[in-house]
Amino acid sequence: DVVMTQSELSLAVALGQSASITCRSSRSLVHDSGNTYLSWFQQRPGQSPRRLIYKVSVRDFGVPDRFSGSGSGTDFTLKISRVEAEDVGIYYCMQGTHWPPGFIFGQGTKLEIK
Amino acid sequence: EVQLVESGGGLVQPGGSLRLSCAASGFTFSIHKMHWVRQAPGKGLMWVSRIDLDGSHTSYVGSVQGRFTISRDNANSMLYLQMNSLRVEDTGVYYCTRDTDYWDVDYWGQGTQVTVSS
Repeated sequence: DVVMTQSELSLAVALGQSASITCRSSRSLVHDSGNTYLSWFQQRPGQSPRRLIYKVSVRDFGVPDRFSGSGSGTDFTLKISRVEAEDVGIYYCMQGTHWPPGFIFGQGTKLEIK
Repeated sequence: EVQLVESGGGLVQPGGSLRLSCAASGFTFSIHKMHWVRQAPGKGLMWVSRIDLDGSHTSYVGSVQGRFTISRDNANSMLYLQMNSLRVEDTGVYYCTRDTDYWDVDYWGQGTQVTVSS
């Protein structure tokens, strides 16, 4: 089975600084189609998850350009530039390339303000 | 506006049953696969089940296989999760999510709480 690992379980960043959250897959996430189905979700306290990024680096409509995704194969990064108070929450990566076993999420990275 | 509204959660004893519902609106329900995702208390996200467009193909995570059944009613834009033989470890918030047709999900409901406890 595919295992998604987010090495930082928590991250404290000062307002206005940048944050990088990493996600590693136990298998390459390149699909037979040539696409890589790696997404990032934000879950603010008390809210449902919200998708920010899909296919590694494509931002969802309405997501600030402070959020960017990068990576390839097995290693991916979500970068948040100029962190704001509203960015506090837990960030999850998710793979959709390998099916079965279905969508697999990373453990989540909790972003806090320092 | 896409909306997914879950209901049907509650407190149930181990071994009991619950049926979750998800009312979809703001999009053409019948052309999207749908999923259920669970979040145990203080824990991360776990995919539970998927159903294809007409309900003919379904899939489940191993821990619920044989106990949970996903279904849909396209005429009424409804998604369901029948949960039988519930265990304490099934406790959590259950979210209904929409498939994008690109091995991904985009919209999520607000979730419904399921608590399995004696």
